[in-house]
Amino acid sequence: QVQLQESGPGLVKPSETLSLTCAVSGYSITTNWWSWVRQPPGKGLEWIGEIYHSGRANYNPSLKSRVTLSADKSKNQFSLNLTSVTAADTAVYFCVRNGYYSGDPWGQGTLVTVSS
Amino acid sequence: ETVLTQSPGTLSLSPGERATLSCRASQSVSTNYLAWYQQKPGQAPRLLLYGTSTRATGIPDRFSGSGSGTDFTLTISRLEPEDFAVYYCQQYGGSPLYIFGQGTKLEIK
Repeated sequence: QVQLQESGPGLVKPSETLSLTCAVSGYSITTNWWSWVRQPPGKGLEWIGEIYHSGRANYNPSLKSRVTLSADKSKNQFSLNLTSVTAADTAVYFCVRNGYYSGDPWGQGTLVTVSS
Repeated sequence: ETVLTQSPGTLSLSPGERATLSCRASQSVSTNYLAWYQQKPGQAPRLLLYGTSTRATGIPDRFSGSGSGTDFTLTISRLEPEDFAVYYCQQYGGSPLYIFGQGTKLEIK
């Protein structure tokens, strides 16, 4: 049974870099693409980007200048770096396995607050 | 950029009733590329349907999907108490690659 678990700091200062990791268990990350999606408190879902184990990635154009995704096959995990964060980046961040043009399953999500 | 507009914003129904949720795209979408999710408070979204009408693993058959072109529908035939949640449609293939609708909140009347 595939499981995804996000980890990383819950509080990041403005202008700094948000870094999260998604550990995958029960499934190899070499088989699928993997995405990050975020949800500001009380709002809808926004796709951030997707990564393949080779390092190939696709990004949301609205975030592309600030986002870097990476994958570590040896640890079976993938990561998100978002630079120059502001309060607008406060959100629950989910990692997701890409399936048939959709995402399943999702990690439980981790709340990241941007505040000084 | 394709925009997905879900309606209504909030739907108030009683258990046992039929729910019909709409997702309208600003440009034509392949039926292969339309998915629906359910999200309960404090939980991650759960995939319900992909390819417009194919139920994900473990999804009960009271959930069904239909549509083509720019108009898609999620139907819940007989509402169970656990079905009250927020529902999102999602499209693949535009820019950005994955786009979500703004959600429909299904609440108990």
